[in-house]
Amino acid sequence: KAGVTQTPRYLIKTRGQQVTLSCSPISGHRSVSWYQQTPGQGLQFLFEYFSETQRNKGNFPGRFSGRQFSNSRSEMNVSTLELGDSALYLCASSWGGTSGSRNEQFFGPGTRLTVL
Amino acid sequence: GEDVEQSLFLSVREGDSSVINCTYTDSSSTYLYWYKQEPGAGLQLLTYIFSNMDMKQDQRLTVLLNKKDKHLSLRIADTQTGDSAIYFCAESTTSGTYKYIFGTGTRLKVLA
Repeated sequence: KAGVTQTPRYLIKTRGQQVTLSCSPISGHRSVSWYQQTPGQGLQFLFEYFSETQRNKGNFPGRFSGRQFSNSRSEMNVSTLELGDSALYLCASSWGGTSGSRNEQFFGPGTRLTVL
Repeated sequence: GEDVEQSLFLSVREGDSSVINCTYTDSSSTYLYWYKQEPGAGLQLLTYIFSNMDMKQDQRLTVLLNKKDKHLSLRIADTQTGDSAIYFCAESTTSGTYKYIFGTGTRLKVLA
């Protein structure tokens, strides 16, 4: 079974540009979550998509958006990039979970975004 | 609140046991997880425990759960240099909307 894949692995952009990151979950998984990881702030939850709908959202500005397609693949978009957006962006997939069920997340290798 | 707290750093000598602690706040959490992150990589699931269990052992890993105190720990026996990484605990909660909450992470350094 193939794992979670993220593309691209590395990205360099300049301030003001926008960027789109892609995540392909494990086959059969319906939930995709996105996280931002920086040395100073640790692992911060961005949002989660389940069956093409945003189910949960973290405390990030509206410049950060996402979507999920019918095949569960997800994209994350950051507009008007700022220097502080430089981070490792991690995607995690899971089968989705319902009340009381086990729902471990499986992570991709991440996309390292550098904003100059 | 929804904070899952961990101590930031832990340093141990090779061959010793490591104990990484985690405090969670949602008593309705059903499953609790431990993840490992090596430098430059994503998080890797190590183990999990169901909330009605007190302990789970998996080779060198032992998970202890004190539900009354909302305290979770991960013990790594015979710690090796390859265990040096950041360890995250996480809870899946059904309080309100379904959520998955990660702790702040503990950086484990194993000294040869």
